Amino acid sequence: QVQLVESGGGVVQPGGSLTLSCAASGFTFSNYGFHWVRQAPGKGLEWVAAIYYDGSNKYYADSVKGRFTISRDDSKNTLYLQMNSLRAEDTALYYCVRDVGVVGPEFDSWGQGTLVTVSS
Amino acid sequence: DVVMTQSPLSLPVTLGQPASISCRSSQSLAHSDGNTYLNWFQQRPGQSPRRLIYKVSNRDSGVPDRFSGSGSGTDFTLKISRVEAEDVGVYYCMQGTHWPPVTFGGGTKVEIK
Repeated sequence: QVQLVESGGGVVQPGGSLTLSCAASGFTFSNYGFHWVRQAPGKGLEWVAAIYYDGSNKYYADSVKGRFTISRDDSKNTLYLQMNSLRAEDTALYYCVRDVGVVGPEFDSWGQGTLVTVSS
Repeated sequence: DVVMTQSPLSLPVTLGQPASISCRSSQSLAHSDGNTYLNWFQQRPGQSPRRLIYKVSNRDSGVPDRFSGSGSGTDFTLKISRVEAEDVGVYYCMQGTHWPPVTFGGGTKVEIK
C-alpha cells in the first residue's frame, strides 16, 4: 500500500534552516509528482510547493518563494523540502502529498506530517 | 489566485440527518481539457486529510456512498446523506484547475449536535 513518511521537523530559530524528507514506498516513486502542503496549528491547509514526476518543473507558493526548495531523489524514493530563512509564520505541520493527476493536481495520498516550529 | 470560499464555517448535525457544505470559487473551475479539478477532503481529528471526492463528483475508493459531490463553474456542494459519528471532522474543498497555486477553502467543521 502507498506509504509516505515525513521526517526532519523540529524546533528552529527564526532565520534558521531545516530540511524535511518524505520517504515513499508501496508504489513506483518516479512515476508521480509530489507536493508539500502545510497546516499551521489550528488552521487550514496551505499549499507550499510542487515538483513534477521527472523533476522538470517546480512551483512554489509566493509565501515561500526564494526561501524553500523542493527536490527529489528517485534512487532513494525520497522527496525533500529545504527550508531557509525560516520565519515564525512557517510554523506548521508539513505534509507530503502524492499527485496522481496528469493535468490538474489530484492529491490521492497524504503522509502523517512532520511538525516545524520556528521560535526563539 | 483563485479564492475558495466555504460555508458554513461550522455545521452541527443530528446523527442520521443530512448535511451540506458549499464551496464557491472566485472564477470558473472548468478546465479547457473538459475536466473540473475540484476535490473534497475530510480531516478527522488528529488525522491527515483524506480525499473523498475528485473532479467534482467522483468518489474515492472506500468512501461511503452517503458522500456525494456536485456542482459546476464556480459553485460546488458536498453532501452527506445521513451523518454518522465517524463523519465528525473538518472538510476542505480544493481547486487544481488554475494552478499554481493550488488553493483550498477555509474548511467546514462538522460536529454532532
